[in-house]
Amino acid sequence: DTGVSQNPRHKITKRGQNVTFRCDPISEHNRLYWYRQTLGQGPEFLTYFQNEAQLEKSRLLSDRFSAERPKGSFSTLEIQRTEQGDSAMYLCASSMTEGNEKLFFGSGTQLSVL
Amino acid sequence: AQSVTQLGSHVSVSEGALVLLRCNYSSSVPPYLFWYVQYPNQGLQLLLKYTTGATLVKGINGFEAEFKKSETSFHLTKPSAHMSDAAEYFCAVSSSGGYQKVTFGTGTKLQVIP
Repeated sequence: DTGVSQNPRHKITKRGQNVTFRCDPISEHNRLYWYRQTLGQGPEFLTYFQNEAQLEKSRLLSDRFSAERPKGSFSTLEIQRTEQGDSAMYLCASSMTEGNEKLFFGSGTQLSVL
Repeated sequence: AQSVTQLGSHVSVSEGALVLLRCNYSSSVPPYLFWYVQYPNQGLQLLLKYTTGATLVKGINGFEAEFKKSETSFHLTKPSAHMSDAAEYFCAVSSSGGYQKVTFGTGTKLQVIP
């Protein structure tokens, strides 16, 4: 068990570019979550998957944000036409379906939009 | 709907002194409650959780928290602070039953003074 892995750790991009982040959850975990964290704030829920099904995405910040988990394993979060306000830490977490109250977090991807 | 309020964005204690981090929650159904800790440049990790049963829960590194339904509180304590406790602490809530989305507070940064 290597924990939740996120890549890249840091991403610097220019405004207007598209970016994609990857999350590899703990292998036996069915549930996968994306959160966004800005300085001085707690993690803000973005979206959630159970296996490959995206069960809640209403919190995705705008239609520029999308997430996938095509085979129920790794997930990607894409931001199109990035804006400076998108600069934040993007966190991925996973959990078991049963006893799912414990989230295991990755170290995050720090996005800086110039 | 659920929410968490953490009183005090920064708390300073002397090494060896009592640590008390305050958390109040709001939930329309019986809550699950959590404390997570985040060290610099690391992901969040679970300190302790309350789901059902005993209202005083013990976690890692000597921390404990007490669920008080009448006060809608879940304060985190540790009898004697250690330098290694310096970190940011997040209180979180999710709803028992069904899909549990975890909502985080804004965090309390703990400073331990030697």
